[in-house]
Amino acid sequence: GAGVSQTPSNKVTEKGKYVELRCDPISGHTALYWYRQSLGQGPEFLIYFQGTGAADDSGLPNDRFFAVRPEGSVSTLKIQRTERGDSAVYLCASSLSVTELYNEQFFGPGTRLTVL
Amino acid sequence: AQSVAQPEDQVNVAEGNPLTVKCTYSVSGNPYLFWYVQYPNRGLQFLLKYITGDNLVKGSYGFEAEFNKSQTSFHLKKPSALVSDSALYFCAVRDGNTGKLIFGQGTTLQVKP
Repeated sequence: GAGVSQTPSNKVTEKGKYVELRCDPISGHTALYWYRQSLGQGPEFLIYFQGTGAADDSGLPNDRFFAVRPEGSVSTLKIQRTERGDSAVYLCASSLSVTELYNEQFFGPGTRLTVL
Repeated sequence: AQSVAQPEDQVNVAEGNPLTVKCTYSVSGNPYLFWYVQYPNRGLQFLLKYITGDNLVKGSYGFEAEFNKSQTSFHLKKPSALVSDSALYFCAVRDGNTGKLIFGQGTTLQVKP
């Protein structure tokens, strides 16, 4: 079966531009997470969805960041007015259900965002 | 607040020798602990987890981890290292309410032939 997929794999943009990063979770996984990994750091939580709703967006750094999951499957992370400090690898993960504590998260390959 | 510490930036071992990658945690409540491995330009791959039960957890690729509640540690181990084990390893603790993972800074494992 297919794993978590993310597109694009690389995105280069200019400061101030708008970008969208897409995540396609494993089929049947209701929980979806976004993380950001800066160079030399561990992944940091951004937001998670249980179904269609954002259950916890406490990790989003500011209001330039927004994510949606309109049909409970594919999710899009949107970044407005990008800044150089947004440059990082954005990771998506999914799991069967957030309520089952033993379910591990499966990660996609990530999107490397570079803001020039 | 939940947190994880990986005190070593890098661990070097010779192929065939046992390896240990250290992790300590701080949680309120029961700890739910995970190890992931990251190869260059690849996503994180799940290795093993501790939820409850036996303190010695066995995982993928011959790895195991020992949960020690009194020392609040969850060290990753392997009896005989392979060159192909060279990668970046992350310890993580799960937030019990949201399920989000809180990761350590990562430890680079270098296995030399």
